Amino acid sequence: QKEVEQNSGPLSVPEGAIASLNCTYSDRGSQSFFWYRQYSGKSPELIMFIYSNGDKEDGRFTAQLNKASQYVSLLIRDSQPSDSATYLCAVNIRGTYKYIFGTGTRLKVLA
Amino acid sequence: DGGITQSPKYLFRKEGQNVTLSCEQNLNHDAMYWYRQDPGQGLRLIYYSQIVNDFQKGDIAEGYSVSREKKESFPLTVTSAQKNPTAFYLCASSTIGPQETQYFGPGTRLLVL
Repeated sequence: QKEVEQNSGPLSVPEGAIASLNCTYSDRGSQSFFWYRQYSGKSPELIMFIYSNGDKEDGRFTAQLNKASQYVSLLIRDSQPSDSATYLCAVNIRGTYKYIFGTGTRLKVLA
Repeated sequence: DGGITQSPKYLFRKEGQNVTLSCEQNLNHDAMYWYRQDPGQGLRLIYYSQIVNDFQKGDIAEGYSVSREKKESFPLTVTSAQKNPTAFYLCASSTIGPQETQYFGPGTRLLVL
């Protein structure tokens, strides 16, 4: 069974702090990894993607991938109340066109 | 202005009725997808298509049908055989290749009268 697992939360952090969101996946054939942000009642919005081991930074966001441990994380620096949303982790399996999604982690940034 | 459009934003279905959700993209993406999202749950794949005139069933295809007559369009029909259709339906598209990335439309919320 191909699975992507996330802690459902809510994860509460104070404004200005670093929020750390984690995701594990079971299929070692996973080749691409994505983080989506979903506000309540809205569709998912792509915020980060990562294909290689290591860190990838984009503004306040950093994605970290460790394929040996089958682990991908998203760090949000200087968290803002507008970052409060559900964050979905997704993986794409090599050789397929299917994306497997986690159930999401709800983040609350407290002003 | 490139993107994915879905219509309608809200759709009401009566018992025994088939309804069709529209999805159009102008991103020149080869692959298109339909997902269903229920409250508090993750996205579940209904159907996907990699090329025109070809599509594959996802994990929950029963009670749904699709067509892919044009690269830009991938409509989803929710048939009367789908007994619990109330959900948020999301269309997505992506390129095909080693660094493909999937993008979503704004979604259609389907409610049963």
